[in-house]
Amino acid sequence: AQSVTQLDSQVPVFEEAPVELRCNYSSSVSVYLFWYVQYPNQGLQLLLKYLSGSTLVKGINGFEAEFNKSQTSFHLRKPSVHISDTAEYFCAVSEGGSYIPTFGRGTSLIVHP
Amino acid sequence: SQTIHQWPATLVQPVGSPLSLECTVEGTSNPNLYWYRQAAGRGLQLLFYSVGIGQISSEVPQNLSASRPQDRQFILSSKKLLLSDSGFYLCAWSVQSLAKNIQYFGAGTRLSVL
Repeated sequence: AQSVTQLDSQVPVFEEAPVELRCNYSSSVSVYLFWYVQYPNQGLQLLLKYLSGSTLVKGINGFEAEFNKSQTSFHLRKPSVHISDTAEYFCAVSEGGSYIPTFGRGTSLIVHP
Repeated sequence: SQTIHQWPATLVQPVGSPLSLECTVEGTSNPNLYWYRQAAGRGLQLLFYSVGIGQISSEVPQNLSASRPQDRQFILSSKKLLLSDSGFYLCAWSVQSLAKNIQYFGAGTRLSVL
């Protein structure tokens, strides 16, 4: 069975600083990996996804993530954050043949001026 | 383009009252549909999912039920609400038959049971 661990429940950072949100997964088969963002009182929206091919994937709003199969990780990065990036970020994994993705518990990114 | 509608946006209900939350999807056919609950400060808990009309799978035994009376309509219900039913409820859809299933979420319903 698949599982997802987001190691940090909260990440505070100053504006224009770089940030990394960590995500590790466990699965016995090939997986598809996703990062979603949730702004306050809204639904989730897709930031980026890894389905196959290049292990470095770029998403919206300047975010990128790198799939590392040997370390079973899919960390999210941004070189310079803005106040508007303050939100909850969810990592998710889906196995082939499953309709049900597994979500991590989320990381709250707090950007301070 | 596809859109997902979820209503109401907020709801305050007394303990013991019934509940009906509705979700509809436009612009696609035969989607997978999902209901999630998000408690304060916690992640997403999958409540129900559906791969077709009348086909409902429950992930967690609880006070809630779901129905899919039409292809693109998904309803979350309760006969008697409990305090513990408070939370943020999210409906989502994905393209069927694809494990590469990006989920598209509605704007959510914040339910407060008092």
